Amino acid sequence: DTAVSQTPKYLVTQMGNDKSIKCEQNLGHDTMYWYKQDSKKFLKIMFSYNNKELIINETVPNRFSPKSPDKAHLNLHINSLELGDSAVYFCASSPLRGLAGGDTDTQYFGPGTRLTVL
Amino acid sequence: QKEVEQNSGPLSVPEGAIASLNCTYSDRGSQSFFWYRQYSGKSPELIMFIYSNGDKEDGRFTAQLNKASQYVSLLIRDSQPSDSATYLCAVKAPGYSSASKIIFGSGTRLSIRP
Repeated sequence: DTAVSQTPKYLVTQMGNDKSIKCEQNLGHDTMYWYKQDSKKFLKIMFSYNNKELIINETVPNRFSPKSPDKAHLNLHINSLELGDSAVYFCASSPLRGLAGGDTDTQYFGPGTRLTVL
Repeated sequence: QKEVEQNSGPLSVPEGAIASLNCTYSDRGSQSFFWYRQYSGKSPELIMFIYSNGDKEDGRFTAQLNKASQYVSLLIRDSQPSDSATYLCAVKAPGYSSASKIIFGSGTRLSIRP
């Protein structure tokens, strides 16, 4: 009964390559997110989609392009990978649009994808 | 100034004692506050959320919020070795209606010593 799943779990690649990470949630949530956690464990939001619509787009290089084919899926494509892209990337979902406080804003995280760029 | 600040630790607490974790935030308009726990190599998981001033208790955990001081804390009573983890304070940024922009602190590493 997986809630938020990501593939792959580990990704090792060379600088300059293009790679994708996939995320799926079976919780019926409206909103999905991508977060980056760097080597110092700092967790930072990158993007958010609500029912296939891009809502949050933080200051992220345009080499990163999210795509949401439907509200249960959010993928992340990264072009021309750089050493500084090495991190753990977490997908998350939340129940409703962020209208009310509290549990509707709770983030349910996937297991993470550890990306290593050599 | 960071938007959400935490002491990085490590915070070492003897088993059975109370662990106290603190967090301050900069945006006075913030309304929702969260504590997540993250074990090494795992994803963050929610412990508690709070959005009213005062205390909120759930089992051994108590979250405290003081909006006037822009301060959130988490108390863990009867600390167990299984509580050893990094604790992330998180704040929902105001101004978004279709998604929740959650700002995380850098986390406090808690170690419970037997």
